Amino acid sequence: QKEVEQDPGPLSVPEGAIVSLNCTYSNSAFQYFMWYRQYSRKGPELLMYTYSSGNKEDGRFTAQVDKSSKYISLFIRDSQPSDSATYLCAMSETSGTYKYIFGTGTRLKVLA
Amino acid sequence: DAGITQSPRHKVTETGTPVTLRCHQTENHRYMYWYRQDPGHGLRLIHYSYGVKDTDKGEVSDGYSVSRSKTEDFLLTLESATSSQTSVYFCAISGQGGVSYEQYFGPGTRLTVT
Repeated sequence: QKEVEQDPGPLSVPEGAIVSLNCTYSNSAFQYFMWYRQYSRKGPELLMYTYSSGNKEDGRFTAQVDKSSKYISLFIRDSQPSDSATYLCAMSETSGTYKYIFGTGTRLKVLA
Repeated sequence: DAGITQSPRHKVTETGTPVTLRCHQTENHRYMYWYRQDPGHGLRLIHYSYGVKDTDKGEVSDGYSVSRSKTEDFLLTLESATSSQTSVYFCAISGQGGVSYEQYFGPGTRLTVT
């Protein structure tokens, strides 16, 4: 079993929909949680990060962490065709080495 | 743009030849990382550096070596390339201003070993 699990998709939604992207993990020591967006043939771009549990909002994006369930989510409101990309989750322990474990990514398609 | 460049951006090489990929940053970040990205595996850490001349192995380090003689440069070397090392390689940086957990990625190097 992988430390971080992420549904590969593709997930297709109509423009304007609310998108929910999720990751589950098995290591209870993870404290830092990040979401990246990756366009085709580009490097990952940091979207959101959260520390420990709770919610964080930035514009149309909301990141949510539920440590009791070992589950994190990224919500995208009013989705746009420009949101079409692969979304990667990443997690790290507080070990000080700052090594990150990545999910395999969910491919999102927002249809105009 | 986090000020990270990678060179070359594309490379085709033959099995058994040595290959060196370069990552250059202009942001004075302390930590630098090399990842490979393959379908079905996501991003996997090869090596990382936590300072000049300070490096450590990641989960897929076999067949790779690294060097960091200056803060701004992190080199990844494939001593004798194999077809299994065909991949997209990403450099990442973190650790500016005491904030270490935000990682920023370069544009990637697409390597094909024939």
